[in-house]
Amino acid sequence: GAVVSQHPSRVICKSGTSVKIECRSLDFQATTMFWYRQFPKQSLMLMATSNEGSKATYEQGVEKDKFLINHASLTLSTLTVTSAHPEDSSFYICSAPLRSGIQYFGAGTRLSVL
Amino acid sequence: GENVEQHPSTLSVQEGDSAVIKCTYSDSASNYFPWYKQELGKGPQLIIDIRSNVGEKKDQRIAVTLNKTAKHFSLHITETQPEDSAVYFCATSTSGTYKYIFGTGTRLKVLA
Repeated sequence: GAVVSQHPSRVICKSGTSVKIECRSLDFQATTMFWYRQFPKQSLMLMATSNEGSKATYEQGVEKDKFLINHASLTLSTLTVTSAHPEDSSFYICSAPLRSGIQYFGAGTRLSVL
Repeated sequence: GENVEQHPSTLSVQEGDSAVIKCTYSDSASNYFPWYKQELGKGPQLIIDIRSNVGEKKDQRIAVTLNKTAKHFSLHITETQPEDSAVYFCATSTSGTYKYIFGTGTRLKVLA
């Protein structure tokens, strides 16, 4: 299957700082990528759709100024959690779809805000 | 809005037995139905998928069946092994959009 790389796998930061998470499609190009948040023992919650060369589309209730998304190339999307607070602590996962529609997921990033 | 119901939420089976997880969807336009396995602390991995023009698909111990009329699809795992223990998610998608709607997940535990 296709490979999606996500970094870092784990990050611990102080409250008020910003954290950047990278998502790369290694062997295919992706004009669209997705960012999810997953709470313990729950399903994946779609946060936003990252669109190469244009603005991201955010799901209802997701603060776009809090979760900045940049999709500067066909293989890279970044999610920046700005001014992180303990309530932002979570598991963040990205995915990239092939043209067939099949989504491949990154390994996830565990964010802990102290 | 569209939603996908997944049952059961937890499932324990003895090693060697079969496991079945079922998902029911509401959007009749859905035409792609993947299943993902997620191990603790990792991202979901695609294990099998089916499109709406097919009723059943099998890959070794794993199979998926689709009933479009009833709007449900099921994951079947035969001869379960301890390494099958994980959380399984179903999802639906529609042509023209890459977005998935996920089920709520099933925690499968295979007892040795």
